[in-house]
Amino acid sequence: QSALTQPPSASGSPGQSVTISCTGTSSDVGGYNYVSWYQHHPGKAPKLMIYEVTKRPSGVPDRFSGSKSGNTASLTVSGLQAEDEADYYCASYAGTNNVIFGGGTKLTVL
Amino acid sequence: EVQLVESGGDLVQPGRSLRLSCAASGFTFDDYAMHWVRQAPGKGLEWVSGISWSSGSIGYADSVKGRFTISRDNAKNSLYLQMNSLRAEDSALYYCAKDRAAAASCMDVWGKGTTVTVSS
Repeated sequence: QSALTQPPSASGSPGQSVTISCTGTSSDVGGYNYVSWYQHHPGKAPKLMIYEVTKRPSGVPDRFSGSKSGNTASLTVSGLQAEDEADYYCASYAGTNNVIFGGGTKLTVL
Repeated sequence: EVQLVESGGDLVQPGRSLRLSCAASGFTFDDYAMHWVRQAPGKGLEWVSGISWSSGSIGYADSVKGRFTISRDNAKNSLYLQMNSLRAEDSALYYCAKDRAAAASCMDVWGKGTTVTVSS
């Protein structure tokens, strides 16, 4: 069970778009359409932003979108806003009721 | 309002045990899988364990397998994590999280967490 691979940091200016990648294996990201993304502001509970690769929970702005190709999933944040600055984690179902998280990406809005 | 409230975190010596609890409200508890996720100081999120709605399917991270036991009491709308043989590296903020489905898929509601510190 190795953590999914995410870049440690990403950044963009307000209004720009940024994409965060999440690389796993055929046993997790590539094997299931159960990739999810979480936004985590320090001191707060994590928030589900994307589930089942591309779906957005009610209340999440459509500026957030997800995709997957092979063993790599991606989160794109369009029209960056100051409040998007946070840590972002991907997660994937990995079989037999197991879940694996990525190492996290700190998104900075310049 | 959907709510998860964790309790049971404490300062404990290495090798000792601790039991965490999570009280759920505002949704039909036995319709959903549940999880424990932790975050050690300065580190990222780590999935610890998950349990399906019926307790028929359970999973553990390799780092806790054989030491931690997850369970649920659907009659009491409660989730538990029994932690034995605790190590310094188990020190973390432990979150209880609700799944969107009856079996593991993703976590759509999170509690505020309870802190476990393992130190002599």
